[in-house]
Amino acid sequence: KQEVTQIPAALSVPEGENLVLNCSFTDSAIYNLQWFRQDPGKGLTSLLLIQSSQREQTSGRLNASLDKSSGRSTLYIAASQPGDSATYLCAVRPGRGSSYKLIFGSGTRLLVRP
Amino acid sequence: SAVISQKPSRDICQRGTSLTIQCQVDSQVTMMFWYRQQPGQSLTLIATANQGSEATYESGFVIDKFPISRPNLTFSTLTVSNMSPEDSSIYLCSVGMGSGAYEQYFGPGTRLTVT
Repeated sequence: KQEVTQIPAALSVPEGENLVLNCSFTDSAIYNLQWFRQDPGKGLTSLLLIQSSQREQTSGRLNASLDKSSGRSTLYIAASQPGDSATYLCAVRPGRGSSYKLIFGSGTRLLVRP
Repeated sequence: SAVISQKPSRDICQRGTSLTIQCQVDSQVTMMFWYRQQPGQSLTLIATANQGSEATYESGFVIDKFPISRPNLTFSTLTVSNMSPEDSSIYLCSVGMGSGAYEQYFGPGTRLTVT
């Protein structure tokens, strides 16, 4: 059974710092992995998607890497800003079977202090 | 990507009643999904709704409690039936875009409180 874990659960950093959020999954047979952002009481915004054959994806100040064999992904945020404060969720789509479901981690709650 | 809207954005309902949540997408999509996010928890898939076929429910979710309609390629509804306080959650619809629905986009969610 696929399980997704995110560490740390919460993170508080001063503005301008570079930071890394971690995501691990127990079954390396994944179709893809997505990183999302969720603001309080709101829906999810897709940040980056990495296919199982890819090693990393970049969008602006965000860089996501994937090491499928070790069951890990990281989200790197450069030069953090107070507007980056949100909960960051990673989700994997299992590669076994025909399900399209995403299995989510519990998230990292990020606070960037001005 | 897709622009997804949900109605209502939030509601407070009494125990034993039912609420229907609407999800509208700005483009035609094959795959639509309904997720639940209980307070302080992450998201859990309720069911997958394909146009023209019965919804497929995940373990722990049943059609009598969460009936779903998918009348066309841009719209779906989820009904939460016979509600109890344990149903208080955020309900989100999502759509799969691209070949094999490889990327999922989410609506803003419906925050439901059951008293």
